[in-house]
Amino acid sequence: EVQLVESGGGLVQPGGSLRLSCAASGFTFSSYEMNWVRQAPGKGLEWVSYISSSGSTIYYADSVKGRFTISRDNAKNSLYLQMNSLRAEDTAVYYCARAHFDYWGQGTLVTVSS
Amino acid sequence: QAVVTQEPSLTVSPGGTVTLTCGSSTGAVTSGHYPYWFQQKPGQAPRTLIYDTSNKHSWTPARFSGSLLGGKAALTLSGAQPEDEAEYYCLLSYSGARLFGGGTKLTVL
Repeated sequence: EVQLVESGGGLVQPGGSLRLSCAASGFTFSSYEMNWVRQAPGKGLEWVSYISSSGSTIYYADSVKGRFTISRDNAKNSLYLQMNSLRAEDTAVYYCARAHFDYWGQGTLVTVSS
Repeated sequence: QAVVTQEPSLTVSPGGTVTLTCGSSTGAVTSGHYPYWFQQKPGQAPRTLIYDTSNKHSWTPARFSGSLLGGKAALTLSGAQPEDEAEYYCLLSYSGARLFGGGTKLTVL
């Protein structure tokens, strides 16, 4: 059974940093591209970042470019999102999603507030 | 940056047919945008219904179909059921970057 489990969310002050993790199981993680998607409370979905299966190709949404870094460790079946210089508008539930968005995690809530 | 547009809300009668559309501010939506369609119900993670314009997952009900229509991506629901009431999002790809539309709230009434 394919499972994606996000962790690392929480309350952080503006300007702070947070690292999200996504633990994958039930499939050959190293063969799949991955994405991060977020959803602010009561708002729509926003694609955040993409990483290829090897990690060699990465894309970011303009809203996070230069502040967020996506990475993966195929040996640990894990996907990461390093978030720096956090702003109030980064407050959202963050989901990891496999390649063609066929499987999603349950999400982890990030709250940026003083 | 491009903007992806969807109808904010639509209503369909039970058993009826409705088409949701997904447009791009850069011009016509093509298969090269690899359109996706997602369904999201309150308190749940999104679920993918359609990928690459018209391909379905094993869990996609047969009453949903995807296409390109008049320069937009389209999701057609034929024979709406009460459980289809949800928010629907499209996603387009732009040379690597992806963009979601603002979502369509579909009411089955």
